[in-house]
Amino acid sequence: GDSVTQMEGPVTLSEEAFLTINCTYTATGYPSLFWYVQYPGEGLQLLLKATKADDKGSNKGFEATYRKETTSFHLEKGSVQVSDSAVYFCALSDSGGGGADGLTFGKGTHLIIQP
Amino acid sequence: NAGVMQNPRHLVRRRGQEARLRCSPMKGHSHVYWYRQLPEEGLKFMVYLQKENIIDESGMPKERFSAEFPKEGPSILRIQQVVRGDSAAYFCASSPPSVVDTQYFGPGTRLTVL
Repeated sequence: GDSVTQMEGPVTLSEEAFLTINCTYTATGYPSLFWYVQYPGEGLQLLLKATKADDKGSNKGFEATYRKETTSFHLEKGSVQVSDSAVYFCALSDSGGGGADGLTFGKGTHLIIQP
Repeated sequence: NAGVMQNPRHLVRRRGQEARLRCSPMKGHSHVYWYRQLPEEGLKFMVYLQKENIIDESGMPKERFSAEFPKEGPSILRIQQVVRGDSAAYFCASSPPSVVDTQYFGPGTRLTVL
């Protein structure tokens, strides 16, 4: 079955540091890939997505590139802020035929940014 | 455009009671999904519904759990005879017919079973 593997947290960085959160996946079809962010006590917010190989999703300074050859979708940001502290989830949707499907999530990576 | 609404935000039940969780999708969204998040874990898919139809319930426990999305009104996730292991955050998501692979999440209902 489908699965998503994320680097274990917590990840602690200083403000303005470079961020990478690794994500790899296994899927039977041609999945769409997503990053969601969850702030304390809140639901998940869609951060960015990519729907096919070599696509780059970007939003709020975050980027991730869909790498089919390495089955990866690593999240990056050049300069993190304290307000980026949250839990980040990598997810996939294996509905390549265009129909809807439940998302498969990684376990999440807790990011802590210190001033 | 209001987001996905869930209520209650917090629900406390004693073992053996019933829990009813409600979800109103975003306007124009006809697809609803329910997920469960256990402490320190990611979200696990439970069920996918369209109006009056259950499309995929492969993630639902076989007993005590049911879901519906009636023609009128919110989607309901119902847990009968709750046990302590049901304590979790339950999230609802919705998607529009035109972009079905992108889901928008509600704030969740945190269920505590005493």
